[in-house]
Amino acid sequence: DAGVTQSPTHLIKTRGQQVTLRCSPKSGHDTVSWYQQALGQGPQFIFQYYEEEERQRGNFPDRFSGHQFPNYSSELNVNALLLGDSALYLCASSFDREGYGYTFGSGTRLTVV
Amino acid sequence: AQSVTQPDIHITVSEGASLELRCNYSYGATPYLFWYVQSPGQGLQLLLKYFSGDTLVQGIKGFEAEFKRSQSSFNLRKPSVHWSDAAEYFCAVGAGFGNEKLTFGTGTRLTIIP
Repeated sequence: DAGVTQSPTHLIKTRGQQVTLRCSPKSGHDTVSWYQQALGQGPQFIFQYYEEEERQRGNFPDRFSGHQFPNYSSELNVNALLLGDSALYLCASSFDREGYGYTFGSGTRLTVV
Repeated sequence: AQSVTQPDIHITVSEGASLELRCNYSYGATPYLFWYVQSPGQGLQLLLKYFSGDTLVQGIKGFEAEFKRSQSSFNLRKPSVHWSDAAEYFCAVGAGFGNEKLTFGTGTRLTIIP
C-alpha cells in the first residue's frame, strides 16, 4: 500500500518564477494538507483541501494556491517566487472521518535562486 | 491561537542512556498533542498522540509521553536510546477534534554518541 507520494523530490527555480508541486495521497485518504518547512524550523500549515475545496488556510499570502482533483490528488502552486520560499514542502493526507490520522510524504525540496 | 515551544534546540545523549525531550504548549481548551520524528531527507513519522484519557501514552519505538495539564507540558521520554534514534523531533498541537491544522514547535535535534 503506497503512502503519500510527492513530486518532484527536488527542484531549483529562479526568483519571480512560478512552481507547481504535486501530491498523491495514501490510498483511502480524501483530505490533503500542505506544510512549509524552512531550514531549521518546524512545519507551518499552508492550507488543507477536502472535496476539491480549500477548507482551512494558514497565514500565507495569495501567491500560494492549491487544487484538489476528483481522485483526491493535490497541487500546490506558488507564484512570483521569493528567495524566502526556499523550503521543504510537505504534503499530508488523511481520511476526513479519522481525526488527525495524517500520513506525511517525504517532501519536495524547493530552492529559489 | 495555539503555540508550541520546544526549549532544547539540540540534545546529545549516549547510546543506552535515557532521554527526555521537552514540549510546552499554549492552547485554551483541551489540546490534541503529538510527537513526530523526522530523519534526514524524510517526512514526518508519528511517534504517539494524546487526545484524552490516560495522561501517559505509549508510542512506537519504545517512546512514551506524559501530558501534564498543570504545566502545559507534553514531554517525550525513552528509557534507553539507540543510535537509530538520532533524528529531529517535533511536538505539535491540534485545535479541536478532526482534521484541524497542526501547529509545530521548532524541533529538537537528537544526537547519539557511542
